[in-house]
Amino acid sequence: GAGVSQSPSNKVTEKGKDVELRCDPISGHTALYWYRQSLGQGLEFLIYFQGNSAPDKSGLPSDRFSAERTGGSVSTLTIQRTQQEDSAVYLCASSLSGTGVYEQYFGPGTRLTVT
Amino acid sequence: AQKITQTQPGMFVQEKEAVTLDCTYDTSDPSYGLFWYKQPSSGEMIFLIYQGSYDQQNATEGRYSLNFQKARKSANLVISASQLGDSAMYFCAMRGLMNRDDKIIFGKGTRLHILP
Repeated sequence: GAGVSQSPSNKVTEKGKDVELRCDPISGHTALYWYRQSLGQGLEFLIYFQGNSAPDKSGLPSDRFSAERTGGSVSTLTIQRTQQEDSAVYLCASSLSGTGVYEQYFGPGTRLTVT
Repeated sequence: AQKITQTQPGMFVQEKEAVTLDCTYDTSDPSYGLFWYKQPSSGEMIFLIYQGSYDQQNATEGRYSLNFQKARKSANLVISASQLGDSAMYFCAMRGLMNRDDKIIFGKGTRLHILP
C-alpha cells in the first residue's frame, strides 16, 4: 500500500517568504508528527496530531511556524517569513495510535533551503 | 517527563564484528514501548525493532536484537555480523502506553561507520 508522502521533495525560497509543506499520512493512521532535521543532526520534534485531540505544539520553535491537519488526514506545515536557520529537512511521520506499540512510518522528507 | 539518551555520537566498527549501540531512557509510565530506527545517508527512516516493557524476552529481528534491561532502563541495539550497509544513523525512541495521546520521543542518534 501507499506509504507516507510529502511534497514538495525540495523547496528553495528566499528569506522572508512563506512556505507550505504538505504531508499525506497512511490511510487510517490517526497520529501524525512533524520533525525537523538539520544536516547530520537528530530529529527535532515540532508538532503532533492525535485524532481529534488538540495538537501538541510544544516543539514549534517560534510563532512563525504553524500546522494544521484537515479531516484527520492531510497535514500542512506553514513557515512564515522564512529565515536561513529554517533550512533543514522536514520529516512527517504517521502511525496507528492508542495504547498499542505502533511504530511510526516516515515520509521521504522535504528539503527546505532558505537563501 | 520522558527522556531518551544516546551517549555515543559516533562509532567505528570493523566489518563482520558485532556492534552495540547504547540507549537509556527515563519514564514514569509503568507500560511503554521502545523502538530503534535506522537512517542511511539517503535520509529515509527505517523502522528496525521494538520492545514492549512488558515483554519477557528480548526482541530479535534477523541480525538485530534488543538488549533490554528494565531495571537499568536501558535498551541497547545489538547488530550481529555487521555489514558495510549498516553504516547509518541510528535512533532510539520510546512511547508511553498508558495514555493514547502520548507521543513518541527520540534520542539524538548514533552515527555508525562500518569499516571494510
